[in-house]
Amino acid sequence: QVQLVESGGGVVQPGRSLRLSCVTSGFPFKNYVMHWVRQTPDKGLEWLALISYDGNSKFYADSVKGRFFISRDNSKGSIVLEMNSLRPDDTATYYCARDGWMSTFGGAHDYWGQGTPVTVSS
Amino acid sequence: VLTQSPGTLSLSPGDRATLSCRASQSVTNNYLAWYQQKPGQPPRQLIYGASNRVAGIPDKFSGSGSGTDFTLTISRLESEDFAVYYCQHYGNSPLVYTFGQGTKVEIK
Repeated sequence: QVQLVESGGGVVQPGRSLRLSCVTSGFPFKNYVMHWVRQTPDKGLEWLALISYDGNSKFYADSVKGRFFISRDNSKGSIVLEMNSLRPDDTATYYCARDGWMSTFGGAHDYWGQGTPVTVSS
Repeated sequence: VLTQSPGTLSLSPGDRATLSCRASQSVTNNYLAWYQQKPGQPPRQLIYGASNRVAGIPDKFSGSGSGTDFTLTISRLESEDFAVYYCQHYGNSPLVYTFGQGTKVEIK
């Protein structure tokens, strides 16, 4: 079955960096666009970034553009979110999710990981 | 912007639940999805394309609507249906991934 497992969350000071990973299994990873989405009690669900199936195209939400960077390793079935210059309002649960459209982006998120919590605080 | 109403719906098991999602601009191709989220769990997709149930989702869940007004209906609430429901506008022309703020369906 399809599985997505995030890791790397934790407590980090403002201005520091953190690297989140998502390891997948149960589907042909190299054929699917992958996303990062975060959730807070205040702002709800917020899409952050996507990476095309081949890694050549990446798109970001304005709120994280220039600070967060998404990458993937098709040989390992994994994606990474590098988060820099972290701010307290980046505190959230971070989910990786699969795009429901094979080989292209723009589809709804059909599978989600369990999420990894990130707290940005001094 | 997606606006969901009501914020909270207090109903009893066996009741019918009607959840609304209104978009500030027309949703292209009716690319509107619905998700269910229970405490401590990630969102689970229920509906895509406004009215298409995801495989394995029971037919008590139905989606309808077009343009800017969309509805998720749960025909007969069961205990496992009490949760928070989100709508999402998605698409690639232009790229859009916007979520509503959620409707909580709670036991009355």
